[in-house]
Amino acid sequence: NAGVTQTPKFQVLKTGQSMTLQCAQDMNHEYMSWYRQDPGMGLRLIHYSVGAGITDQGEVPNGYNVSRSTTEDFPLRLLSAAPSQTSVYFCASRRAAGSYEQYFGPGTRLTVT
Amino acid sequence: AQSVTQLDSQVPVFEEAPVELRCNYSSSVSVYLFWYVQYPNQGLQLLLKYLSGSTLVESINGFEAEFNKSQTSFHLRKPSVHISDTAEYFCAETTGNQFYFGTGTSLTVIP
Repeated sequence: NAGVTQTPKFQVLKTGQSMTLQCAQDMNHEYMSWYRQDPGMGLRLIHYSVGAGITDQGEVPNGYNVSRSTTEDFPLRLLSAAPSQTSVYFCASRRAAGSYEQYFGPGTRLTVT
Repeated sequence: AQSVTQLDSQVPVFEEAPVELRCNYSSSVSVYLFWYVQYPNQGLQLLLKYLSGSTLVESINGFEAEFNKSQTSFHLRKPSVHISDTAEYFCAETTGNQFYFGTGTSLTVIP
């Protein structure tokens, strides 16, 4: 199993550009989440999904969109990048309700200039 | 709103000395608690978890944490640290779908 994979590893965007951060898992996990990690702020939840076709907002959803058309994939879209979105983004998955062990991807380091 | 407080942002400690990383949580309902470790340029890995039962939980590499409901704490301890323990440690809580993370404690083990 590859676990949770994320692409790209690094990305530089100009303000106003859009892009999609990819996340995939091969463990047949129902739950998937996106976090951003900023210095001194820990990890903050952006969006999460409890199954294909079901998504919900976390603490910091503004400026981000998600969709979950398959169990395996959970892409994160930045519609119009802003410097405040410079961060490290982590995708995570876990098996189902009642299973609390999250598996994290290696992260995507995004810089918006 | 739920929140997790990690009281120390940086903890330097000499090799083979004991260490305690402090964590306080806010939830007043049934809560599940976790410690994650992050090595440089990597994602987070689960170190240990408290779901129910014994209030003392242990990891395979010698860390332990104790759930203390009266003090709303879940401090992480290790009696003798190794150089390889140098990493960022995050405490987290959940009551269901959403996880809340602390701001992290950077543990540096000094040879």
